[in-house]
Amino acid sequence: AQTVTQSQPEMSVQEAETVTLSCTYDTSESDYYLFWYKQPPSRQMILVIRQEAYKQQNATENRFSVNFQKAAKSFSLKISDSQLGDAAMYFCAYWAGSYQLTFGKGTKLSVIP
Amino acid sequence: DVKVTQSSRYLVKRTGEKVFLECVQDMDHENMFWYRQDPGLGLRLIYFSYDVKMKEKGDIPEGYSVSREKKERFSLILESASTNQTSMYLCASSSPGTSGIREQFFGPGTRLTVL
Repeated sequence: AQTVTQSQPEMSVQEAETVTLSCTYDTSESDYYLFWYKQPPSRQMILVIRQEAYKQQNATENRFSVNFQKAAKSFSLKISDSQLGDAAMYFCAYWAGSYQLTFGKGTKLSVIP
Repeated sequence: DVKVTQSSRYLVKRTGEKVFLECVQDMDHENMFWYRQDPGLGLRLIYFSYDVKMKEKGDIPEGYSVSREKKERFSLILESASTNQTSMYLCASSSPGTSGIREQFFGPGTRLTVL
């Protein structure tokens, strides 16, 4: 069974600084997708960024980028120029073609003004 | 924009009560999902539905049932609520087929407390 591990339950970052959230996963599949979802306090969860495993190039979305290391089964999220609105729970997730997303346990990110 | 709404943000029920959590989406999505979110456990899939009247168990279906009579509406039912079902419940939807899972749209969640 696939597992997704987020080893940092909580992290903090100074406003305008850069922070990296870690995620590792376990799979025997060769073709899959990885995701980072953001859940702000009392607000809906939204998709931040998506990476297809067969693509070598790391995905980027504005201030958000990933470091995808397929051999190491690692998928970290880098947030540059952190803003107060980045404070949220962040979930790493994995999908390999079924109806199910497998989520990690989440990392709570605090942004210090 | 996709909109997924849930009938209540907060709900307090008594042990043994029958509880209905409603979810409605307005994007004509075939796939709908119910998750449970607990601190330190992440999101766990309770049930999903890939079409009207179709349902499949997820990882933790015990104590829950679902109903999908219309495409836009997916209900989660706790037949006899228990205190260990106190949790945040999230509904999600996505476009059809398994490829639709690549982007799920979530509702705001219902925080259920069972006393």
